[in-house]
Amino acid sequence: GAVVSQHPSWVICKSGTSVKIECRSLDFQATTMFWYRQFPKQSLMLMATSNEGSKATYEQGVEKDKFLINHASLTLSTLTVTSAHPEDSSFYICSARRGTSGGAMDTQYFGPGTRLTVL
Amino acid sequence: AQSVTQLDSQVPVFEEAPVELRCNYSSSVSVYLFWYVQYPNQGLQLLLKYLSGSTLVESINGFEAEFNKSQTSFHLRKPSVHISDTAEYFCAVSAFSGTYKYIFGTGTRLKVLA
Repeated sequence: GAVVSQHPSWVICKSGTSVKIECRSLDFQATTMFWYRQFPKQSLMLMATSNEGSKATYEQGVEKDKFLINHASLTLSTLTVTSAHPEDSSFYICSARRGTSGGAMDTQYFGPGTRLTVL
Repeated sequence: AQSVTQLDSQVPVFEEAPVELRCNYSSSVSVYLFWYVQYPNQGLQLLLKYLSGSTLVESINGFEAEFNKSQTSFHLRKPSVHISDTAEYFCAVSAFSGTYKYIFGTGTRLKVLA
């Protein structure tokens, strides 16, 4: 089946620093990737839709200048948490959509997630 | 706007017993429905989905879900669970908003007991 990887799987950083998380589709090309955030015992909240070669589309309430998304190739999207603070600590999950129609028939494949802890 | 409710945060059940994980949704537009499973330390995996056609959909490992439009539900069932089914199960709806996006429920942790 389709595989999506994330790196790193966990990261601890000091407040004020920036952290980059990579999301790769290993065996398929993904024109669209999604970034989610998950708090303990809560659902996955969509943060942004990442489209290859164009600017990401952010959900309401998500700061685009704080969560920088770059989808430079058909297999790689990166999320950079800039000037991280303790409230940014969370589990970040990416997914890659396989298919070209952009419709409901396309399935999203999820990465294993990255746990970010900001001290 | 769409929303998904999974009322049960945790469901313990003995091995070989039946189980039902509940999922209700609300939406003013047509939606597509999904169940994803997340095993420990792994990413979410698609279990089954309803796009159109028969309201009863099945997975390869014995799970099934039925789309009930009048009750806005998409409950997941299995007649006999195994220890290996222990995992977190997420219900999601997909609706068009510029592109098709998922809205997830809070998840149900299924714990199968020996």
